[in-house]
Amino acid sequence: EDKVVQSPLSLVVHEGDTVTLNCSYEVTNFRSLLWYKQEKKAPTFLFMLTSSGIEKKSGRLSSILDKKELFSILNITATQTGDSAVYLCAGSNTGNQFYFGTGTSLTVIP
Amino acid sequence: DTAVSQTPKYLVTQMGNDKSIKCEQNLGHDTMYWYKQDSKKFLKIMFSYNNKELIINETVPNRFSPKSPDKAHLNLHINSLELGDSAVYFCASSPWRQYNTEAFFGQGTRLTVV
Repeated sequence: EDKVVQSPLSLVVHEGDTVTLNCSYEVTNFRSLLWYKQEKKAPTFLFMLTSSGIEKKSGRLSSILDKKELFSILNITATQTGDSAVYLCAGSNTGNQFYFGTGTSLTVIP
Repeated sequence: DTAVSQTPKYLVTQMGNDKSIKCEQNLGHDTMYWYKQDSKKFLKIMFSYNNKELIINETVPNRFSPKSPDKAHLNLHINSLELGDSAVYFCASSPWRQYNTEAFFGQGTRLTVV
C-alpha cells in the first residue's frame, strides 16, 4: 500500500527559529515528491523534487530528496508568523496519482 | 480567473439526503481528482479520472460517485449522506501523465451533515 508519513505532527516555534519538517514515503512507481503549504483553504504548491541530493530553494524555504532512503525534508529558516500553516508532503507515481501525508501543523509565535 | 473552481464552498445538509459538489478546471488538464480532508488535515484520495479511466480508492463507499460530463468537469455525487461524511472535499487537476507536475487544487467544499 502506498504511504506517506510526516513528522512531527505539530510544531510550535518562536519567530526567527529554524525548523525542519520530515517526510518519508513508500510509493510504487515513484515519480516525484511534492511539498504544499495549506493555510485556511486550498493547498498551495511549494516544491517538486525528482532527483536525489539536489536542493531546491525558494527564499527562506528549501527542500531536498533522498531517493535511496525514501525521505525528504523541508527547511524553513528565520521563521515568521506568516509561515504558520499545515505543510503537506505528497508522493506521486507514474500513473499521476498523488498520495499525501498527514501534514505537519506549524505555529510560529511572535 | 480561477483555475480549479468548486461549488458550493459550504454545504450543510441533513442525514440521508443526496447532494452534489461541482468542480470545473480551465487549465486544459486531462486528469481530475477528488480528495477528502478530515479534521486531522489528512488528504485522502477518493477518485482520479482522466477522461476514459476512472481509478477508485477501494475504501470509498459506493454512496460516492464521480460524474464527468466532459474533461473540464468532475462532479461528486453523494447518496444517503451520513454524519461521518462531514469533511472538506477538494477537487484537483493535473496534466496528462507524461508531464511531471503538481496537482492544482480548488478552494474546497466544507460539507457538514447534521
